[in-house]
Amino acid sequence: DAGVIQSPRHEVTEMGQEVTLRCKPISGHDYLFWYRQTMMRGLELLIYFNNNVPIDDSGMPEDRFSAKMPNASFSTLKIQPSEPRDSAVYFCASSYPGNNEQFFGPGTRLTVL
Amino acid sequence: AQTVTQSQPEMSVQEAETVTLSCTYDTSESNYYLFWYKQPPSRQMILVIRQEAYKQQNATENRFSVNFQKAAKSFSLKISDSQLGDTAMYFCAFMIQYSGGGADGLTFGKGTHLIIQP
Repeated sequence: DAGVIQSPRHEVTEMGQEVTLRCKPISGHDYLFWYRQTMMRGLELLIYFNNNVPIDDSGMPEDRFSAKMPNASFSTLKIQPSEPRDSAVYFCASSYPGNNEQFFGPGTRLTVL
Repeated sequence: AQTVTQSQPEMSVQEAETVTLSCTYDTSESNYYLFWYKQPPSRQMILVIRQEAYKQQNATENRFSVNFQKAAKSFSLKISDSQLGDTAMYFCAFMIQYSGGGADGLTFGKGTHLIIQP
């Protein structure tokens, strides 16, 4: 299996622009997680899905952030409009019930100028 | 809410030495998992070792072992015979265990930067 796939690996954008991060979980995994990593706040959970349904979005920082999972093999995290403080590494991870390990993608490094 | 604390921002040891990374956590839950993840400069998150809270026996994975003290809410990682490739950020993480096997998000500590000197 190719593992969790994230795109793009790097994104540089200007303040006010819309940013869309993409994730393809491991086939057969029905849990999908989005995390954000910054120097100040460390790694924090933003939202997670089970069978394409959002279960907990309490970590989403504000209304500028939205996440969708239209099918079992694809999820997006959108920021609109983006701000410099959104600069971070965004990780996607997936897992399946009965195996508590979460498999992480390589992350997307987002820079908002 | 759960919290995870790693009190050592950075540690440095010589190759082949043994090193212990500390982690404490706070929770009111009875059933949970604890993890150590490694993040090398490539930034890939790699699971090192996991522990189920209901198991009294400490987990081991080759050179990696944990000291799990449930009453003290402590979960330290011991790396024996340290190698240059062990240089990385190490994160302690907590996850609630739901009945039926359902997953939850991970709560991470701030990490310990471990440097293995040649």
